[in-house]
Amino acid sequence: GQNIDQPTEMTATEGAIVQINCTYQTSGFNGLFWYQQHAGEAPTFLSYNVLDGLEEKGRFSSFLSRSKGYSYLLLKELQMKDSASYLCAVINSNYQLIWGAGTKLIIKP
Amino acid sequence: ETGVTQTPRHLVMGMTNKKSLKCEQHLGHNAMYWYKQSAKKPLELMFVYSLEERVENNSVPSRFSPECPNSSHLFLHLHTLQPEDSALYLCASSQAPDSTGELFFGEGSRLTVL
Repeated sequence: GQNIDQPTEMTATEGAIVQINCTYQTSGFNGLFWYQQHAGEAPTFLSYNVLDGLEEKGRFSSFLSRSKGYSYLLLKELQMKDSASYLCAVINSNYQLIWGAGTKLIIKP
Repeated sequence: ETGVTQTPRHLVMGMTNKKSLKCEQHLGHNAMYWYKQSAKKPLELMFVYSLEERVENNSVPSRFSPECPNSSHLFLHLHTLQPEDSALYLCASSQAPDSTGELFFGEGSRLTVL
C-alpha cells in the first residue's frame, strides 16, 4: 500500500523553531507538497519539493531526501498565527496525490 | 470575487434528504476536484474534472453525484446519505489535472447527516 506518516499533534513555544516530519512509502515519486490549514479554513500551499535538499521561503523551509522517503517542514520564529494543521502530500508514479493525515501544531505563548 | 468559493458553508440533512454543494472558481483553471476531509484522516479524493469531463472517480458511492456544467462550476449532489458521510467537503481547482500543480482549495462545506 501507499502511506504517508506525520505526527498527529505537536506543541511549540512562540518564538521557537519546530520541525514537522513526513515519511512516505509510495509507488514512485514525482514531488512532495506541504499545505497549511487553519481551523475552519481552506488548505493553502506552502511548498513543493521534487529534488533533494532544502527550499527556504521566509520563516518556512522544506527539506526532501528521496533516498530516505523523508521530508520535513521547518518553521522558525514561531508566531501564534502558525497554529494550524500542516498537510504533507506526495505525487506517485501515476501522478496521484497521496495525502498524510496532517499534523496539528499548537503554539503556546 | 477571486479564488474558490463553496456554498453552503454548513449543511445539516436527514438521511432521506436531497441537497447539493456548490463550488465556483474564478482562477481560470481547467481542473476541479471534490475531496472529503474527516477528522484525523488523510484527504480522500472523490472526483476530478478536467475541462468539464470527469477523469477520475475513486469508487465513491452513488449517493454522491457530481456535476460540472462548465469549467468554473462544480456541484456535488447528495441523496440518501449515511451518518458516516458527515465530514468537511472541500472543492479545489488547479491549472492541470496531473497533480503536479498547486491546488487552490475552497473553505469547504461542513456536512452533518442525522
